[in-house]
Amino acid sequence: GAGVSQTPSNKVTEKGKYVELRCDPISGHTALYWYRQSLGQGPEFLIYFQGTGAADDSGLPNDRFFAVRPEGSVSTLKIQRTERGDSAVYLCASSLGQEETQYFGPGTRLLVL
Amino acid sequence: GIQVEQSPPDLILQEGANSTLRCNFSDSVNNLQWFHQNPWGQLINLFYIPSGTKQNGRLSATTVATERYSLLYISSSQTTDSGVYFCAVQNQAGTALIFGKGTTLSVSS
Repeated sequence: GAGVSQTPSNKVTEKGKYVELRCDPISGHTALYWYRQSLGQGPEFLIYFQGTGAADDSGLPNDRFFAVRPEGSVSTLKIQRTERGDSAVYLCASSLGQEETQYFGPGTRLLVL
Repeated sequence: GIQVEQSPPDLILQEGANSTLRCNFSDSVNNLQWFHQNPWGQLINLFYIPSGTKQNGRLSATTVATERYSLLYISSSQTTDSGVYFCAVQNQAGTALIFGKGTTLSVSS
């Protein structure tokens, strides 16, 4: 079956611009997660959705970052006023339920110039 | 929060060799996963193994939850095994995976 998909696969933007990153989870998975991976590091947690609600957003670095999942399926990560330090690979994962196996998408590589 | 340490940080092998990767974690966990990140960046699930032993082909994993460590065994390594291996454990709230820094494996023919 289809795995987690993310679009775009690559995004280049200029400092100060707004970007949106999309995640399509595996069908039927109620839990959805966003992570960020910098070069040479492991992924770091950003936010967790159970259904439509953000159950844990403690990993969001500041208020320029926001994520939504309005219908409990597709999620969008939104970054305002991008900074060069936001450059990283943004990974989405989904699981059937909380504390179950997480399956990761291919990521969006964001480069802020 | 939970700390996850992986060793060794780097490993270089000849094709056909066996290896053991280790993951130590600082607190009890309900979920532990091993991933392989291939050169294209895709994180591939290897094992969901909060405790016990599992095997899948040339790979096997053992988690000793009471002693807070997990081991990943790779036998008869192949060049396609190259990449970064991550161990990740679930945080206490059950809402996120906490990743180690990974072990970078290079297998040469």
